Amino acid sequence: DTAVSQTPKYLVTQMGNDKSIKCEQNLGHDTMYWYKQDSKKFLKIMFSYNNKELIINETVPNRFSPKSPDKAHLNLHINSLELGDSAVYFCASSLRSPSGANVLTFGAGSRLTVL
Amino acid sequence: AQRVTQPEKLLSVFKGAPVELKCNYSYSGSPELFWYVQYSRQRLQLLLRHISRESIKGFTADLNKGETSFHLKKPFAQEEDSAMYYCALELTSGSRLTFGEGTQLTVNP
Repeated sequence: DTAVSQTPKYLVTQMGNDKSIKCEQNLGHDTMYWYKQDSKKFLKIMFSYNNKELIINETVPNRFSPKSPDKAHLNLHINSLELGDSAVYFCASSLRSPSGANVLTFGAGSRLTVL
Repeated sequence: AQRVTQPEKLLSVFKGAPVELKCNYSYSGSPELFWYVQYSRQRLQLLLRHISRESIKGFTADLNKGETSFHLKKPFAQEEDSAMYYCALELTSGSRLTFGEGTQLTVNP
């Protein structure tokens, strides 16, 4: 019944490994996002897809590659993990309302720890 | 570029006291502003947005274009209000939502 679901919830891995985080939404939203929350709880957008098309690509190392197989899914693959990648990654989705406001629904977050 | 500033990283009040979480923004156009809240062990969720002019859980926020502020207020804080609060700004022309640094509110008994 969960609206935006992310897996895994926790991920602990070694430096240099490659890992993926998956996100799915069942709300019928047309836009999906990845946000990174660092140790100071600062939230920064990484990517946004609208109907499978990349529309926002912030200054993120190219080790991070999003993939959207369909508009209900947005996965995040990270190559050659570094210590600084340790963070909580939040997936979100939205559907622009008639009033124009873009309200985001967030997933529970995926806590990545790189050792 | 648009920017959202929450000057207080931590805010602590006693139950029943008024609380105000500050938010200032910089954007030359007409912004859309939001407050999101993250309770302990829960996901980030929308609290309120300025276009709705609504009061949620006793909280209100007024957009002041002259001062470029969107402060969140509640006259009588409750212990269950303890959470991380994020102010967010959206450009009317796009779908980018920019968050402030967040304010951790603690309401003491």
